[in-house]
Amino acid sequence: RKEVEQDPGPFNVPEGATVAFNCTYSNSASQSFFWYRQDCRKEPKLLMSVYSSGNEDGRFTAQLNRASQYISLLIRDSKLSDSATYLCVVNSGQTGANNLFFGTGTRLTVIP
Amino acid sequence: DTAVSQTPKYLVTQMGNDKSIKCEQNLGHDTMYWYKQDSKKFLKIMFSYNNKELIINETVPNRFSPKSPDKAHLNLHINSLELGDSAVYFCASSQVEHEQYFGPGTRLTVT
Repeated sequence: RKEVEQDPGPFNVPEGATVAFNCTYSNSASQSFFWYRQDCRKEPKLLMSVYSSGNEDGRFTAQLNRASQYISLLIRDSKLSDSATYLCVVNSGQTGANNLFFGTGTRLTVIP
Repeated sequence: DTAVSQTPKYLVTQMGNDKSIKCEQNLGHDTMYWYKQDSKKFLKIMFSYNNKELIINETVPNRFSPKSPDKAHLNLHINSLELGDSAVYFCASSQVEHEQYFGPGTRLTVT
C-alpha cells in the first residue's frame, strides 16, 4: 500500500469554482502534513501546512482527520493561476528524521 | 539570493558515464535531501543528510552516492549511468520536522 494516496485527476474547473482534493495516508505515526504545489517543469513549493484543528490561508482551507487518516484541501473562487499539480505530503513519523512521502499529485486546470 | 540551488539544470549523457549533481542551500538548515521524480511525476526520497550524517538511505542502487562536505552542500554522484536513471532530481533542505524547500531540479537524460 502506498504511504500517500491521491486522486490524480485531472480536475478541470471554471474560474470562480470551488474545488476540493482529498488524500489518505497509511502511517498512523505521521506527525506533519502538508500540501505542496508543483507547476509544470518546476520544483514543488509549500502551499500550506495542515494542522489538526484545520487551517485557512485566504482562499485555501486544509483539514486533517487523524482518525480516518485523511487530509483535504479546499480552494474557493478558483483563479487561472491556481492551475498546477497539488501534492499531498506526509512525514514518516520517525523521531529525528523528516522523511516526507509525497502523493502522486492531483492535477488542477482552471478554465477561463 | 537563491535559497536552494542545483547545478546543472540539464544534464544529457550516455549510458555508462559517471556524473555529479551539486546542491547548495543558504537557509542555514540542518538537513538536506535528494529526491527523484520519474516520468510518471512520482516524487520519491533517495537520501537525507542531517549535519553531514546520512540518516536515511532509501533502497537506491549503490551507483548513487551522496556526499556532503558541509551542512550547506549535498552533492549526488552517479556511477555507470543507466537509461532508467533518466528523471528529474530535486535537492531540498529543511530544519528537522519542518517543511522542506526544494531546488529547481536537474533534468537528467541518459541516452
